[in-house]
Amino acid sequence: AQSVTQLDSQVPVFEEAPVELRCNYSSSVSVYLFWYVQYPNQGLQLLLKYLSGSTLVKGINGFEAEFNKSQTSFHLRKPSVHISDTAEYFCAVSDGRTALIFGKGTTLSVSS
Amino acid sequence: NAGVTQTPKFRILKIGQSMTLQCAQDMNHNYMYWYRQDPGMGLKLIYYSVGAGITDKGEVPNGYNVSRSTTEDFPLRLELAAPSQTSVYFCASSYPGTMNTEAFFGQGTRLTVV
Repeated sequence: AQSVTQLDSQVPVFEEAPVELRCNYSSSVSVYLFWYVQYPNQGLQLLLKYLSGSTLVKGINGFEAEFNKSQTSFHLRKPSVHISDTAEYFCAVSDGRTALIFGKGTTLSVSS
Repeated sequence: NAGVTQTPKFRILKIGQSMTLQCAQDMNHNYMYWYRQDPGMGLKLIYYSVGAGITDKGEVPNGYNVSRSTTEDFPLRLELAAPSQTSVYFCASSYPGTMNTEAFFGQGTRLTVV
């Protein structure tokens, strides 16, 4: 079975500052990893995914994440955030055959 | 493509009432899922289906039922609504084992049981 831990429930940052949202996972098999974003009163939208290959994955809206197998981590980063990045971010894991398992989410609040 | 469509968007139920949350996808995905989202708890899997006629329980199935008679539709049934079922419900679909293995989500149904 897989599990996901998002290490920060809330991350406040100022506009144009860099941000990192941390995600650790556990699994006994190879996994696929995902980051989703949820804007207020909306569904979840895929930011990026790691399936295989390069451990640095680039997604939409300038976000990127790095898969670290030895650390079992998949942290999400953005070098300069905007007010519009304010949202809830979910890390998720799957073994490719079963449903996505989600973390509890990290609320990113960007202020000016 | 419409993607994943959920209806209704909002609903208020009285304790003990029943209702069906509808979910349809037009991407020919064989896997479909129902999640519930509660504040600070992330998304919990209620039921999932790997194809027409096949369903299985997720992490929090009590109080819910599902059916999958077609590839496109995956309705979620609440038989006797309870306040603990107040939540936001998301339907999703995917095609595991491929490069499109990520789940695509509907816009959600916000349910309040009073």
